[in-house]
Amino acid sequence: EDQVTQSPEALRLQEGESSSLNCSYTVSGLRGLFWYRQDPGKGPEFLFTLYSAGEEKEKERLKATLTKKESFLHITAPKPEDSATYLCAVLYRDDKIIFGKGTRLHILP
Amino acid sequence: GAVVSQHPSRVICKSGTSVKIECRSLDFQATTMFWYRQFPKKSLMLMATSNEGSKATYEQGVEKDKFLINHASLTLSTLTVTSAHPEDSSFYICSARDRLREKLFFGSGTQLSVL
Repeated sequence: EDQVTQSPEALRLQEGESSSLNCSYTVSGLRGLFWYRQDPGKGPEFLFTLYSAGEEKEKERLKATLTKKESFLHITAPKPEDSATYLCAVLYRDDKIIFGKGTRLHILP
Repeated sequence: GAVVSQHPSRVICKSGTSVKIECRSLDFQATTMFWYRQFPKKSLMLMATSNEGSKATYEQGVEKDKFLINHASLTLSTLTVTSAHPEDSSFYICSARDRLREKLFFGSGTQLSVL
């Protein structure tokens, strides 16, 4: 069954405490994996697209990596303004897209 | 700036009325647009995939006659919630696929409240 699973469901960190969010997938014909940030009451904001295993992308305190089974979103020295829900989505065969349920990240000052 | 515009951002309507939500791609042609529904603190639930010039593909459990989707041009898709009821109250979000840049951009969402 095609599936995208994100973990943990929720994460509370102290400001400056680095961590990683996981997005594991079981689909065939992966064409791209997307990471988004979503603030309450707003649409998701695009962060990264990863296309193939071994690829990495960085933006400020965020770094996304991809393997054949999962992707990680590493957050280094997070700040309170990084608090949000982080969503991953997988684009695969026949233009299908599946979203994970997201990780709610809360950074404490 | 925003590359996908969604309008309106918030709408309150009476039970039994219909509501139309627009989704426009601003600087690219979107042959495919997606419509999602989101409940509080839950992830996005894909409702339907809209292809320009053809009928939308609905996900299992989504009523076609209830949620009418029209994708008449390469930059505009609309979702009409017909005969809205309180249980249709939700946050609706659209996204548009930019094939050239292989990115999926989202609208800012529409909060629908049916009284």
